[in-house]
Amino acid sequence: GDSVTQMEGPVTLSEEAFLTINCTYTATGYPSLFWYVQYPGEGLQLLLKATKADDKGSNKGFEATYRKETTSFHLEKGSVQVSDSAVYFCALSDRNTGNQFYFGTGTSLTVIP
Amino acid sequence: DAGVIQSPRHEVTEMGQEVTLRCKPISGHNSLFWYRQTMMRGLELLIYFNNNVPIDDSGMPEDRFSAKMPNASFSTLKIQPSEPRDSAVYFCASSSRDTGWNSPLHFGNGTRLTVT
Repeated sequence: GDSVTQMEGPVTLSEEAFLTINCTYTATGYPSLFWYVQYPGEGLQLLLKATKADDKGSNKGFEATYRKETTSFHLEKGSVQVSDSAVYFCALSDRNTGNQFYFGTGTSLTVIP
Repeated sequence: DAGVIQSPRHEVTEMGQEVTLRCKPISGHNSLFWYRQTMMRGLELLIYFNNNVPIDDSGMPEDRFSAKMPNASFSTLKIQPSEPRDSAVYFCASSSRDTGWNSPLHFGNGTRLTVT
């Protein structure tokens, strides 16, 4: 079945450091891929998405590229800020499974000044 | 766009009591999802609806849990009787299948349930 695997946290970085959070997926069909961010006390918010191979999703300085050959969708940011501290979830939606969404376990990021 | 609206934001109840969580999806969205989030188990899908019809309720933990969607603008998740292990944050999310199978989920801010 479909699934998403993302790197274990927590991740702690200094401000302006480079961020990578790894995400790989397994899907029976041709999924769309998403990154969601959850700030304390809030629901998950869509950060970016990509719907086909080699698409790059980007938002707020974050980027992720849909790599079909490696079944990956790694999240990157060149220079993190304290305000980026949150939990990040990788997810997929596969038309073969009736629009159901599959989420990774989440990666907690803390950015220290 | 008011977003997905959940109520209440916080609920504290005693074991054995009935709890009802409410959700109003984004207008025009025809898919609705209920999730539960805990530190131990992370984000779990409980049930989801398409066009008000339950499609997959395999994530509902027990018969104590039930969900309804009487119309396109309202859904409830009920726990009866509640137990301390039900303590969690419950999220409702909606999506529009009409705009494509790759349309994203939009989450509410959740209901934090504490059962003592």
